[in-house]
Amino acid sequence: GAVVSQHPSWVICKSGTSVKIECRSLDFQATTMFWYRQFPKQSLMLMATSNEGSKATYEQGVEKDKFLINHASLTLSTLTVTSAHPEDSSFYICSASWDSGSQPQHFGDGTRLSIL
Amino acid sequence: GQNIDQPTEMTATEGAIVQINCTYQTSGFNGLFWYQQHAGEAPTFLSYNVLDGLEEKGRFSSFLSRSKGYSYLLLKELQMKDSASYLCAVKDSNYQLIWGAGTKLIIKP
Repeated sequence: GAVVSQHPSWVICKSGTSVKIECRSLDFQATTMFWYRQFPKQSLMLMATSNEGSKATYEQGVEKDKFLINHASLTLSTLTVTSAHPEDSSFYICSASWDSGSQPQHFGDGTRLSIL
Repeated sequence: GQNIDQPTEMTATEGAIVQINCTYQTSGFNGLFWYQQHAGEAPTFLSYNVLDGLEEKGRFSSFLSRSKGYSYLLLKELQMKDSASYLCAVKDSNYQLIWGAGTKLIIKP
């Protein structure tokens, strides 16, 4: 149980393109979803937390207009990287939890984004 | 501030036992989690401790002492596939998950 699907796995695109990443909880309802970014050999960095039906809470230093998050249903959250540039190239990982309390976060497989 | 400390890197031999320590200082405590992350992949959930003591799951066990702000992950009968980073994370009083930087475990034959 607790399967999270993330799509796409890999994206390579030109600078200036907007990229949408989907995160789905397949066998549970995710009241809370999280978006992380991880650069090579570095720690996970939380970008934002989203609760179904409400605006995402962004971490300090993360641009809301750059990284658009939508959590329209209990099983789907999307992250759109708008007008992506080479410095946005990273490993983006979503996770989901069925509560905001003591339950663990379950991760998707991640999306490797390369901006040329 | 909130802080989680774990060793940066450890090396162990196939078939042996290794203990990865984690100490934490957080504003409140609502559980401690261990995750495994292979290079280039997303983390996978290993264990959860909220009460003091040892939780055993096959070859992996996790221990917690809340009074000492301390946990360890014990891996037995090490296999080459156990080479990965092991992440310690704590939920604080607001249920925010605070992540450690991870311990890279290298298994040698």
